Amino acid sequence: DAGVIQSPRHEVTEMGQEVTLRCKPISGHDYLFWYRQTMMRGLELLIYFNNNVPIDDSGMPEDRFSAKMPNASFSTLKIQPSEPRDSAVYFCASSWAQGVGDEQYFGPGTRLTVT
Amino acid sequence: AQSVTQLGSHVSVSEGALVLLRCNYSSSVPPYLFWYVQYPNQGLQLLLKYTSAATLVKGINGFEAEFKKSETSFHLTKPSAHMSDAAEYFCAVSESGGGADGLTFGKGTHLIIQP
Repeated sequence: DAGVIQSPRHEVTEMGQEVTLRCKPISGHDYLFWYRQTMMRGLELLIYFNNNVPIDDSGMPEDRFSAKMPNASFSTLKIQPSEPRDSAVYFCASSWAQGVGDEQYFGPGTRLTVT
Repeated sequence: AQSVTQLGSHVSVSEGALVLLRCNYSSSVPPYLFWYVQYPNQGLQLLLKYTSAATLVKGINGFEAEFKKSETSFHLTKPSAHMSDAAEYFCAVSESGGGADGLTFGKGTHLIIQP
């Protein structure tokens, strides 16, 4: 398997623009997670899905952020409008939760820079 | 609420020396604990996990960790450091298994290997 795929790997945009980050989970996985990594706050969970349904979005910073999972093989994280403080590395992870201690598999991340 | 504290944002050891990365957790229920490694410009990779089966857990690349409930700790060790171990290491906790729940991460420890 190719692992979790994220695109783009790097995104540079100007403040106020819409940004869409994309994720393709590992085939057969039923959970998908979005995390954000910054120097100040470390790795934070933003939202996660089970079988394409959002389960917990309490980590989404504000209404400017939205996430969707239209099918089992694709998810998007959208920021509209973007702000400089959104600059971070955004990771997508997926898992097949059949027991306890199941591993989350991380993608390579998208480095977002908002100027 | 669960939390993770990693003591030391940077740890420097000589090649061949013992590696010790510290992790303390807080959890209201018996936790599931994980160590992940992140190499530059890459996603996170699971090193090892504790799921209550055994307190001493062995992982990949010669790493191991011991769960100590009385100390609420899950420190990561490796007897002999190798140059390829230089990376960022994250301790994470989950109260419901890890695969079906978001992980709470520590701030990370940057491991530097001196030749």
